[in-house]
Amino acid sequence: DAGVIQSPRHEVTEMGQEVTLRCKPISGHNSLFWYRQTMMRGLELLIYFNNNVPIDDSGMPEDRFSAKMPNASFSTLKIQPSEPRDSAVYFCASTLDSTNTGELFFGEGSRLTVL
Amino acid sequence: GENVEQHPSTLSVQEGDSAVIKCTYSDSASNYFPWYKQELGKRPQLIIDIRSNVGEKKDQRIAVTLNKTAKHFSLHITETQPEDSAVYFCAASRGNTDKLIFGTGTRLQVFP
Repeated sequence: DAGVIQSPRHEVTEMGQEVTLRCKPISGHNSLFWYRQTMMRGLELLIYFNNNVPIDDSGMPEDRFSAKMPNASFSTLKIQPSEPRDSAVYFCASTLDSTNTGELFFGEGSRLTVL
Repeated sequence: GENVEQHPSTLSVQEGDSAVIKCTYSDSASNYFPWYKQELGKRPQLIIDIRSNVGEKKDQRIAVTLNKTAKHFSLHITETQPEDSAVYFCAASRGNTDKLIFGTGTRLQVFP
């Protein structure tokens, strides 16, 4: 398996534009997580899905952020409209263990810069 | 909800010395405590984990200890090498489809 695949790897956009980040989890994994990493706040959990169903989105900063998982092999994180403070590395991760007590496999991340 | 605190935020050691990173958690129902290593520009990767029914676990030069009463756990790296230089994150989870919450990270630098 190629691991968790994220796209784009880098995104530079202007304030107010819509940003869509994409993630393909490892085949067979049933839990998917979106994290945001910044120097100041480390790895923050935004939202996670179990069997394609959103379980906890309490980490989503505000209504400008939304996430979907239409099927077991694809998820998106959308920011609309984007703001400079959204600049960060966004990681997607998946795990096979439905109890979430197993290894999380991270993608390589999407580095977002909002000017 | 769960809150994980980690310290120190930075740690510098000489090659061959030991390094210790400490974390505390707030949710007494948490029962799974992994540690992740993130090299510069790379993704976080699991290096060791411990579950609440175990007090200590070792894997070659790394070990993790857990004190459930005090709600803290620690990562110990012995005989440090320059390739151990990275950011280390602790995390905690209740399991049972609950989320994994990370600490803020420790940047470890090992000088030759």
